[in-house]
Amino acid sequence: DAMVIQNPRYQVTQFGKPVTLSCSQTLNHNVMYWYQQKSSQAPKLLFHYYDKDFNNEADTPDNFQSRRPNTSFCFLDIRSPGLGDAAMYLCATSMRGGETQYFGPGTRLLVL
Amino acid sequence: GDSVTQMEGPVTLSEEAFLTINCTYTATGYPSLFWYVQYPGEGLQLLLKATKADDKGSNKGFEATYRKETTSFHLEKGSVQVSDSAVYFCAPSDAGGTSYGKLTFGQGTILTVHP
Repeated sequence: DAMVIQNPRYQVTQFGKPVTLSCSQTLNHNVMYWYQQKSSQAPKLLFHYYDKDFNNEADTPDNFQSRRPNTSFCFLDIRSPGLGDAAMYLCATSMRGGETQYFGPGTRLLVL
Repeated sequence: GDSVTQMEGPVTLSEEAFLTINCTYTATGYPSLFWYVQYPGEGLQLLLKATKADDKGSNKGFEATYRKETTSFHLEKGSVQVSDSAVYFCAPSDAGGTSYGKLTFGQGTILTVHP
């Protein structure tokens, strides 16, 4: 089945230690999104790629970076995680902007 | 930017009760409207959508109608089941421009259905 895959499902890192979360898709969608969802809150968009074009949300901290080496993969890099970065990170894809977004299962990040 | 006001929860119902979760939004242009559902420990799943005024989205017994005049997209189900217990998010999608369909989520409504 075509899908959005996120690895790992759970990630534990230390305060200040860089961490990378990965997302892959078999849908061949043009757009890939990264959302941060803190406990009992709505998902908040961090950034997205339309093909190779990167679009950062204005309030996304510089600590968060992203890479999309090809259509299928997209990475979220947190350069120096703080305790406040502990959250669920959701990857989503869509064929074009404004169309249905398909979400992966998420990676839950714990910062010690 | 877009914003969403979603009915506060938690909502607790008995099985077979009628469900309404209100959602109103502000947006520029004509957004597509979505309801997503999130089961515990999982990502979001599309529940239903509507892309233009007066469209009705439906899935698994849930329905919502795109009301442009009241900028609303209320979710309804005639008879809920225990398996419907989840968090429900209303989300308009940015109509275009450089936002590439950014979803603006409501705060989510926790639904618990008891047998």
